[in-house]
Amino acid sequence: DADVTQTPRNRITKTGKRIMLECSQTKGHDRMYWYRQDPGLGLRLIYYSFDVKDINKGEISDGYSVSRQAQAKFSLSLESAIPNQTALYFCATSDPPGASGRGNEQFFGPGTRLTVL
Amino acid sequence: AQKVTQAQTEISVVEKEDVTLDCVYETRDTTYYLFWYKQPPSGELVFLIRRNSFDEQNEISGRYSWNFQKSTSSFNFTITASQVVDSAVYFCALSEAETSGSRLTFGEGTQLTVNP
Repeated sequence: DADVTQTPRNRITKTGKRIMLECSQTKGHDRMYWYRQDPGLGLRLIYYSFDVKDINKGEISDGYSVSRQAQAKFSLSLESAIPNQTALYFCATSDPPGASGRGNEQFFGPGTRLTVL
Repeated sequence: AQKVTQAQTEISVVEKEDVTLDCVYETRDTTYYLFWYKQPPSGELVFLIRRNSFDEQNEISGRYSWNFQKSTSSFNFTITASQVVDSAVYFCALSEAETSGSRLTFGEGTQLTVNP
């Protein structure tokens, strides 16, 4: 079973609709992240959460909101979708640096391809 | 602010050629982490390697090797004897331990195509 799962995997919606993307993880990590990927722009951070009570904006948070329902769940919402939010969205998880003798590499879900018409 | 530059947008090689993917980074932190990820055509992101700023040892893993040079702020990735299955987009990423809460900043990626 995948350690980081995202639902849905694909979604087509219309301008103005509210959309929620969900992420679940079984890695036991405290830290979770949401990124979007656009062609030629790499991945850009939308929001991140270091634990259930700690949520922070990333570099492109406008138009998005998040909810950390539990250590294992982190949801991304588009309250009123617009066409330029069409992108590939990734959820990721990590440990803090140095935890368990490991570094803070992030492990990614399979991605959600969102199209806003 | 942290920044990662992958100047090579696309590289095309013939199978069995060696290929090096360049990565240059900018940071003001003294403690930071560098990463490489692979994104095959299927779209998932696969973690390849992490390097700490205080460890400049190069690393080899099979056909993959990484050259970390703090003096030139570079963390280059070489694939030896490339194979068609190496075709993917490769991302270099940087995480600053102190100033950015360990968030990752990605380069724009290098599309590698290995032709048979």
